[in-house]
Amino acid sequence: KQEVTQIPAALSVPEGENLVLNCSFTDSAIYNLQWFRQDPGKGLTSLLLIQSSQREQTSGRLNASLDKSSGRSTLYIAASQPGDSATYLCAVPRGGANNLFFGTGTRLTVIP
Amino acid sequence: GAVVSQHPSWVICKSGTSVKIECRSLDFQATTMFWYRQFPKQSLMLMATSNEGSKATYEQGVEKDKFLINHASLTLSTLTVTSAHPEDSSFYICSARDLRSAGANVLTFGAGSRLTVL
Repeated sequence: KQEVTQIPAALSVPEGENLVLNCSFTDSAIYNLQWFRQDPGKGLTSLLLIQSSQREQTSGRLNASLDKSSGRSTLYIAASQPGDSATYLCAVPRGGANNLFFGTGTRLTVIP
Repeated sequence: GAVVSQHPSWVICKSGTSVKIECRSLDFQATTMFWYRQFPKQSLMLMATSNEGSKATYEQGVEKDKFLINHASLTLSTLTVTSAHPEDSSFYICSARDLRSAGANVLTFGAGSRLTVL
């Protein structure tokens, strides 16, 4: 059974710092991995999708990497801003292409 | 891009009543939609898969008679929480995949519906 874990559960950093969020999964037979952002009481916003054939994806200040063999993914946020404060979730496909196993999430607070 | 709308965004009801939550794909058709539940400070858990024109598929431990799902059209799925109890209070989120993006395997999520049962 796939298990997706995110460490740390919560993180506070001063504005401007670079930071890394971690995601690990137990079953490496995945064909993609997604990172989402969730603001309090809101739905999910997809940030990055990495296909299994890729090692990383970049979008603006965000960079996500994927190492299938070790069952790990990281989300790197450069020059953090208070607006980055949110919960970040990673997810991998479950069964069919449309179901997702979600990680436990990392709650990020960027302090002005 | 693909947009999924949920209504209502929040609802408060008395114990024993039923509540219906709608999930609509605004600019695309979706034969399949997914309903997730999220308890405070926890991650999302898949409840059921809603299939247009057929019965929903429920995850283990989810009572199908309590959480009624109807997917009457390619753009609308509804989740009805029947005889709601305080323990049903949660954040319910739906998602759908744009059929036009079959190769992308990307789900679009609604903004969620917060249910509070008094």
